[in-house]
Amino acid sequence: GAGVSQSPRYKVAKRGQDVALRCDPISGHVSLFWYQQALGQGPEFLTYFQNEAQLDKSGLPSDRFFAERPEGSVSTLKIQRTQQEDSAVYLCASSPRREPYNEQFFGPGTRLTVL
Amino acid sequence: QKEVEQDPGPLSVPEGAIVSLNCTYSNSAFQYFMWYRQYSRKGPELLMYTYSSGNKEDGRFTAQVDKSSKYISLFIRDSQPSDSATYLCAMSGSGGSNYKLTFGKGTLLTVNP
Repeated sequence: GAGVSQSPRYKVAKRGQDVALRCDPISGHVSLFWYQQALGQGPEFLTYFQNEAQLDKSGLPSDRFFAERPEGSVSTLKIQRTQQEDSAVYLCASSPRREPYNEQFFGPGTRLTVL
Repeated sequence: QKEVEQDPGPLSVPEGAIVSLNCTYSNSAFQYFMWYRQYSRKGPELLMYTYSSGNKEDGRFTAQVDKSSKYISLFIRDSQPSDSATYLCAMSGSGGSNYKLTFGKGTLLTVNP
């Protein structure tokens, strides 16, 4: 069946540009997560949605980062005024249940390069 | 010190070898322990998860958790070239924030034919 999809797969932005990254979770999955993976590192938690409600945004690095999931399915991660340190792979994951949360299914990621 | 420590390798083994991958952690609240496999330019894929201490076996893979030592392991028997990937350990606590996975850096494994 279809897994988690993300678009675009690759994005190059000039410093200061705004970017929007899209995540299509597995159909019917209640929970959605965003992670940031820097080169040579493990993913780091950014934010968590349960349906359309953003229940945790404690991992967002700054107020330039904003995520939404208005209808409880597709999610968008927006980064305003991109900086070089934002260069990373942004991973989206979804989970079919509210608890336990450990079975998270990841998409292929969007590789963001900020020049 | 990071909450989860994992030797990044790289680790290179011949085909058929037994591979041992490990992580240590400092947060005693962690209750769920997972191993993910990540191929180059792909997202992490869940291999196994274990709740609390003990062993779990799935085919050629065995996961072990020793909470008293805060140490987890993944063993791969009869390793294959297709096992070449980065292996990430991940953990989460129980209770309110158990959705939040904390990952190690990952160990890059190459299995040579």
